Amino acid sequence: EVQLVESGGGLVKPGGSLRLSCAASGFTFSNAWMSWVRQGPGKGLEWVGRIKSKTGGGTTDYAAPVKGRFTVSRDDSINTLYLQMNSLKMEDTGVYYCAAGDYGGFHIWGQGTMVSVSS
Amino acid sequence: EIVLTQSPSTLSLSPGERATLSCRASQSVSSNYLAWYQQKPGQAPRFLIYGASSRATGIPDRFSGSGSGTDFTLTISRLEPEDFAVYYCQQYGSSPLYSFGQGTNLEIK
Repeated sequence: EVQLVESGGGLVKPGGSLRLSCAASGFTFSNAWMSWVRQGPGKGLEWVGRIKSKTGGGTTDYAAPVKGRFTVSRDDSINTLYLQMNSLKMEDTGVYYCAAGDYGGFHIWGQGTMVSVSS
Repeated sequence: EIVLTQSPSTLSLSPGERATLSCRASQSVSSNYLAWYQQKPGQAPRFLIYGASSRATGIPDRFSGSGSGTDFTLTISRLEPEDFAVYYCQQYGSSPLYSFGQGTNLEIK
C-alpha cells in the first residue's frame, strides 16, 4: 500500500523549534520529489518547501514565508522526509502534510500532523 | 508571482446537477503544470486532475478538466453525494514554485 505517515507535531512556543518526519512506504521513495504543504485553521493549502530526488539533483526550494527558518531534508536509506522548523511564529500554526510529486502535482499525501505555535 | 483565483468561492448545487469550477491565473501557466484536488473535512487532499485535463488513477470519469493559458475549469458532470467538498487548483511555476487557489466550497443545496 502506498503510504505517507507524518509525525512530530505538537505545541511549541513562539521562537521555538520542531522537527517533523514523514515515513514513506509502497513506492520508490528515493525517486520521488517530496514537498511539505500546510493548512492553517480554516484556511486553504500553502506549499512550504520541496526537495528533489538525489538523481534530480537533491536541491531544495522554499516558500518566501519560511525561507531561512525551515529546512527540508531526506534520508533515502530509511525512506523518510524531514522538516526542521526553527524560529516558529504563531502564523506557522496548522496541519502539515507531506506529499509526493513533481511539476505534475502531488499524487500521494500523508494524513497530516498538527503544529500549534502559542505562548 | 503567480496568483490563482478560484470562482465561485461557494457553489450550492443538488446531487445529479453539473458543477463548473473556475481557476484563473494572474500569468500564463503551462497546461502540464496545472492540477486539481478535492478535500473533505478532516482529510488530506485527494489528487484529481493533472496536466489540466488528465484524470489521476482511480478518479471517476464524471470529473473532467479543461483550459489553457490563464483560464482552467474543473467540471463534475453529475454530482454524487460524495462529491461535495472543497476543490483546489494548483500550479507549478517559478515564483512561488507551487501555488494553490483559495478553494471552491461545493455544498449541497
